[in-house]
Amino acid sequence: EVQLVESGGGLVKPGGSLRLSCAAPGLTFSNAWMSWIRQAPGKGLEWVGRIKKKSDGGTTDYAAPVKGRFTISRDVSTNTVYVQMNSLKTEDTGIYYCTTGVGYMDVWGKGTTVTVSS
Amino acid sequence: EIVLTQSPATLSLSPGERATLSCRASQSISSNLAWYQQKPGQAPRLLIYDASNRVTGIPARFSGSGSGTDFTLTISSLEPEDFAVYYCQQRSNDRVFTFGPGTKVDIK
Repeated sequence: EVQLVESGGGLVKPGGSLRLSCAAPGLTFSNAWMSWIRQAPGKGLEWVGRIKKKSDGGTTDYAAPVKGRFTISRDVSTNTVYVQMNSLKTEDTGIYYCTTGVGYMDVWGKGTTVTVSS
Repeated sequence: EIVLTQSPATLSLSPGERATLSCRASQSISSNLAWYQQKPGQAPRLLIYDASNRVTGIPARFSGSGSGTDFTLTISSLEPEDFAVYYCQQRSNDRVFTFGPGTKVDIK
């Protein structure tokens, strides 16, 4: 069974940057669509963005609130997916989940917590 | 952007009762809809995809229906472990995905 493990969360000041990582032993990321989903405290799920598998073009798309600030990338040598988050705002606070699946999120990590606060 | 609305926001039922959850899309999404279950402190779990297909291992009491703009998740007879929050999610175009706001099913 595929397992996803997120890391890199923490406390950051507004305007700062953070990079989250997602590792999956046994899953070849180049063959998978990977998405990041977040959940603000006490709120619902919000799709953040996605990177397609290489054979589907490897392209990325983002939700409007993060477009231009967040960048999803993949390192095939380490089998890791990243989300680089810049110009962070307090409303970016929440749990960030790494998921895999073509359009639907069929495997989820346990999440990593990001807190944006002064 | 396709907007999903879910109703009701909260559904208070007793074990053994039938739960009917609704998800409506702002425009037609064909059958490109999934349902997820989330329990407190846990990551969500995919239950249903393509509107009506149950994921392997999901109990038969969970069923999905609908197409176009109106979708339903039905839990035929609630078990104690079914009390949770349920989200719908669309993948109509493969560029931007969205979730509904969720329906909480709690114990009456």
